[in-house]
Amino acid sequence: EAGVAQSPRYKIIEKRQSVAFWCNPISGHATLYWYQQILGQGPKLLIQFQNNGVVDDSQLPKDRFSAERLKGVDSTLKIQPAKLEDSAVYLCASSRGLETQYFGPGTRLLVL
Amino acid sequence: QQQVKQSPQSLIVQKGGISIINCAYENTAFDYFPWYQQFPGKGPALLIAIRPDVSEKKEGRFTISFNKSAKQFSLHIMDSQPGDSATYFCAAISGGGADGLTFGKGTHLIIQP
Repeated sequence: EAGVAQSPRYKIIEKRQSVAFWCNPISGHATLYWYQQILGQGPKLLIQFQNNGVVDDSQLPKDRFSAERLKGVDSTLKIQPAKLEDSAVYLCASSRGLETQYFGPGTRLLVL
Repeated sequence: QQQVKQSPQSLIVQKGGISIINCAYENTAFDYFPWYQQFPGKGPALLIAIRPDVSEKKEGRFTISFNKSAKQFSLHIMDSQPGDSATYFCAAISGGGADGLTFGKGTHLIIQP
């Protein structure tokens, strides 16, 4: 089966600009996650969807980050406006059940 | 607050040796402990996982040892190979998996030929 797809793979923007990332989960996976991985650290959960509903967004900086999952399949994560500290890899993961999560390759964001 | 502490930060092991990575957790609600392997430019991939009712789990050259009373668990890679060179993350999850993963900071493992 195809893995989790993400695009773009790389993005360079200036601070205060906006950016959006796209994720297509594995077919049939009801749960979708967005993680932020800062260089040298483990991924940190930003938001979790179950179908098209938000399960947990407690660590999402809601003043600048937003996410949606249209029709319970694809998802987009947006940052507006971006700050220097948002430079990181943004990982999307999906799972059929609640434990084994499959990760995409990530989007590397550099904010200048 | 770092809920999963991982050590060492980096590790160099000779080919054929045993690589050992340790993790400790604080949240007693955690009930599933996976290890992920990440190669440069790739997303993390599930390697092996354990539940707290089991003290050890082995899959091929990879073994998890779990000490519930000490709230510690470790990954052992036997007969380490250069292809094992990667970053390894321990993680934990609670609520039967209803929550997202809490990751350690990672261990950069290098296997020297």
